[in-house]
Amino acid sequence: AAGVIQSPRHLIKEKRETATLKCYPIPRHDTVYWYQQGPGQDPQFLISFYEKMQSDKGSIPDRFSAQQFSDYHSELNMSSLELGDSALYFCASSLGLAGVGIEQFFGPGTRLTVL
Amino acid sequence: QQQVKQSPQSLIVQKGGISIINCAYENTAFDYFPWYQQFPGKGPALLIAIRPDVSEKKEGRFTISFNKSAKQFSLHIMDSQPGDSATYFCAARVPRIREGAQKLVFGQGTRLTINP
Repeated sequence: AAGVIQSPRHLIKEKRETATLKCYPIPRHDTVYWYQQGPGQDPQFLISFYEKMQSDKGSIPDRFSAQQFSDYHSELNMSSLELGDSALYFCASSLGLAGVGIEQFFGPGTRLTVL
Repeated sequence: QQQVKQSPQSLIVQKGGISIINCAYENTAFDYFPWYQQFPGKGPALLIAIRPDVSEKKEGRFTISFNKSAKQFSLHIMDSQPGDSATYFCAARVPRIREGAQKLVFGQGTRLTINP
């Protein structure tokens, strides 16, 4: 079965640089969630999209922005990177319809290292 | 502030034994409680999940017990195997305000080690 695809899998950036993370949800899934997981930490919700519109926002820094495109893939843009942004970034997808497909399926993650 | 509290932080169990991980929550509006299994460097994989109107759910060697009045739920892994060694996260879903707004809040995680 098709899973959530994330790219790149690993990314190394310098401080103050920008990074773009991509997420391709499971086919027919219309909802995308982004989570950040620091070393030894639990995943923290950043932002979500349903049908290409932002639907919820968590602890996402103003330096970060995201969007969902017409093909439902999503991109997380991170600017002015800081050392503390080093983490695993997960994308999860689900069906947003009421009462259907409430499970969130996670991708393999992008490991971002800021030097 | 951790909305879902998970314990223990780490757990060592002998092969064939029962692994038990506990979670507690405060927000009675949570409407769905999944457990995820995560191997190092991998994404969380959905293991089993339960709704608050059910007291127990079993899938193979994995069982969730749910106590709504105590606002607690637990994962039991029967006949634990070395391949079960991973980090386990409980989670709770924030009820839907609008479509696509069903974020998960996670417990702190339990690092489970099954000794052969």
